[in-house]
Amino acid sequence: NAGVTQTPKFQVLKTGQSMTLQCAQDMNHEYMSWYRQDPGMGLRLIHYSVGAGITDQGEVPNGYNVSRSTTEDFPLRLLSAAPSQTSVYFCASSTYGVRMNTEAFFGQGTRLTVV
Amino acid sequence: AQTVTQSQPEMSVQEAETVTLSCTYDTSENNYYLFWYKQPPSRQMILVIRQEAYKQQNATENRFSVNFQKAAKSFSLKISDSQLGDTAMYFCAFFYNQGGKLIFGQGTELSVKP
Repeated sequence: NAGVTQTPKFQVLKTGQSMTLQCAQDMNHEYMSWYRQDPGMGLRLIHYSVGAGITDQGEVPNGYNVSRSTTEDFPLRLLSAAPSQTSVYFCASSTYGVRMNTEAFFGQGTRLTVV
Repeated sequence: AQTVTQSQPEMSVQEAETVTLSCTYDTSENNYYLFWYKQPPSRQMILVIRQEAYKQQNATENRFSVNFQKAAKSFSLKISDSQLGDTAMYFCAFFYNQGGKLIFGQGTELSVKP
């Protein structure tokens, strides 16, 4: 059982380049989300999805796009990278709703540097 | 909007001693979950402990326990018999069903000293 698979682990981009961070889960979780982690600011929610075909904005959505065509995949797209998007990115998935043993499972993170 | 606040950016403790990390949150919801996650230098996010808001009993997991004060909206983590492997960043997080958002605090960096 792979859990949450997030790729790549490291990436360097030039300002203005585009890229997609991939996230896939094999636990049939309804809820998936993307966070960015910056020093002193914890993990801030970028976008999230409560099921295939449904996405919504989090706290810091500007500069990022997402789609959820399947339950398993939730890619994050940077259309025109900026130095302010230098950060560590995490994908997470969880069961949606008040259920026993609810928890979020995280990918291993992507360290993105925009130069 | 829900918010989570961790007011201790850094803490240190001697090995084998006890330390308490603080967390407060703000919500108008009645049914929700609270979590503590550990993030060691490997960057991996590891669930330490979970508390359901409808349960009055404080959650415990081996050396880890919480003090959940629902009325005060407080959720502190106590680590007993601290070990060197407990050195990590610790995040408090809040999750509620309506909206499906998991909201994190700013984190507390804990150092366990030999």
